[in-house]
Amino acid sequence: GNSVTQMEGPVTLSEEAFLTINCTYTATGYPSLFWYVQYPGEGLQLLLKATKADDKGSNKGFEATYRKETTSFHLEKGSVQVSDSAVYFCALSSNTGNQFYFGTGTSLTVIP
Amino acid sequence: SAVISQKPSRDICQRGTSLTIQCQVDSQVTMMFWYRQQPGQSLTLIATANQGSEATYESGFVIDKFPISRPNLTFSTLTVSNMSPEDSSIYLCSVGGGTGWGSTEAFFGQGTRLTVV
Repeated sequence: GNSVTQMEGPVTLSEEAFLTINCTYTATGYPSLFWYVQYPGEGLQLLLKATKADDKGSNKGFEATYRKETTSFHLEKGSVQVSDSAVYFCALSSNTGNQFYFGTGTSLTVIP
Repeated sequence: SAVISQKPSRDICQRGTSLTIQCQVDSQVTMMFWYRQQPGQSLTLIATANQGSEATYESGFVIDKFPISRPNLTFSTLTVSNMSPEDSSIYLCSVGGGTGWGSTEAFFGQGTRLTVV
């Protein structure tokens, strides 16, 4: 079956620190992979995505590479800002259906 | 992309009552999805709402508890019936996530934070 395992939080970093949030997946077929971000009081927003192996998704300084050999899609950012404080969700979508599978979410707090 | 308006954004309800959550999309979509996000948990798909047909429910969710309406291509409602404290969650409406020609991203409403007391 399909599932996503995500690094548990909460994570607290100082501004300008390096961020990694680990995400691994189990899937049948060839899934697409996503990172969503949820700012306080808001809905989920797409942060980045990758639709095939070795693709790198990037947005707002965040990056994640679709690694089929390790079934991973780790989120990274070289220098976090206070405004990056949010909950981050790793997700996959199987190309055989509409259903999305989400990780449990990782809460990130960046302190000045 | 799609802009989704969901309301109410939050509510506190008495057990045994029902709450209807509304979801409005700024474009016509065939499928709309309802998710539940329990405290500290991942998002779980409740059902898929197709315009003109009955909603398709995931394992563990039933129509009597979560009736869904889909009167047109831009609107859907989810009702949480006969609520208990275990229903306290965030409920999210979503569109997108295609098949066939390739998966696309999903778009979400801001969610409804429900507390049952």
